[in-house]
Amino acid sequence: AQTVTQSQPEMSVQEAETVTLSCTYDTSESDYYLFWYKQPPSRQMILVIRQEAYKQQNATENRFSVNFQKAAKSFSLKISDSQLGDAAMYFCAYRDTGTASKLTFGTGTRLQVTL
Amino acid sequence: NAGVTQTPKFQVLKTGQSMTLQCAQDMNHNSMYWYRQDPGMGLRLIYYSASEGTTDKGEVPNGYNVSRLNKREFSLRLESAAPSQTSVYFCASNQHRERVLFGPGTRLTVT
Repeated sequence: AQTVTQSQPEMSVQEAETVTLSCTYDTSESDYYLFWYKQPPSRQMILVIRQEAYKQQNATENRFSVNFQKAAKSFSLKISDSQLGDAAMYFCAYRDTGTASKLTFGTGTRLQVTL
Repeated sequence: NAGVTQTPKFQVLKTGQSMTLQCAQDMNHNSMYWYRQDPGMGLRLIYYSASEGTTDKGEVPNGYNVSRLNKREFSLRLESAAPSQTSVYFCASNQHRERVLFGPGTRLTVT
C-alpha cells in the first residue's frame, strides 16, 4: 500500500519570506500523481498544485512550486513571498492512475505566517 | 454549478443512533468518495464508488455502509454510531484522471 509522510507537524514563516514543506511517499508504481492541498480554517480542501510522475519538469502555480525527486520519492512544496492568507494546514497526497482515483494523504503540516 | 454538496453541515448523535450523510455532485463525475478527517491523521478513505452501481471499501470501512443511489448521489450511513466515529466527513468526486473536488465537509460528534 502507498504511504505518504509529512514529518513537519508545524512550520512558521514571516510574511514575504519563503518556506518549504516536506513530503515523502512510498509506492511501487511508476506512474502516479502527487498533490498539495491547502485546508484553511473553513475546512474546505483546496488544490494548490499537482505533479504527474512521468513529467520531469517541476510544477509551478504562481508563488507555489514543487521539487519533485522521483528516485528519492520526495515531493516538497515551496511557497514564495508568503502571505497571511497562506496560513493553513497543508496536505501532501498521492493518487494512482487507476479508474478510481483514490487519494492517500499525509498527516499534514500547519503553516503559520507571521508579520 | 454547485460542485459537491453535503448535508448536513453539523450533526450531534448519541451512541447507538443511526444517520445518513448525503452527498451530491452536478458535474457528471463517474467516481465518488467518502473520507474522514481526524486530528493528526489527515484524510482517510472510507468507501468509494468508481462508477454508478459499484462501491468498494477503502482504508477504514468498519461501521459504515454506502449507497450509490445514482450517478449524482453517494450516501454514507452509520447504522449504530460510536464515539470513535466523531470526525469530519468529506465527500469528493472526479472524472478519471481529472482533479478530485471536495465537498465542504460534515462535522459529526457522537456522545
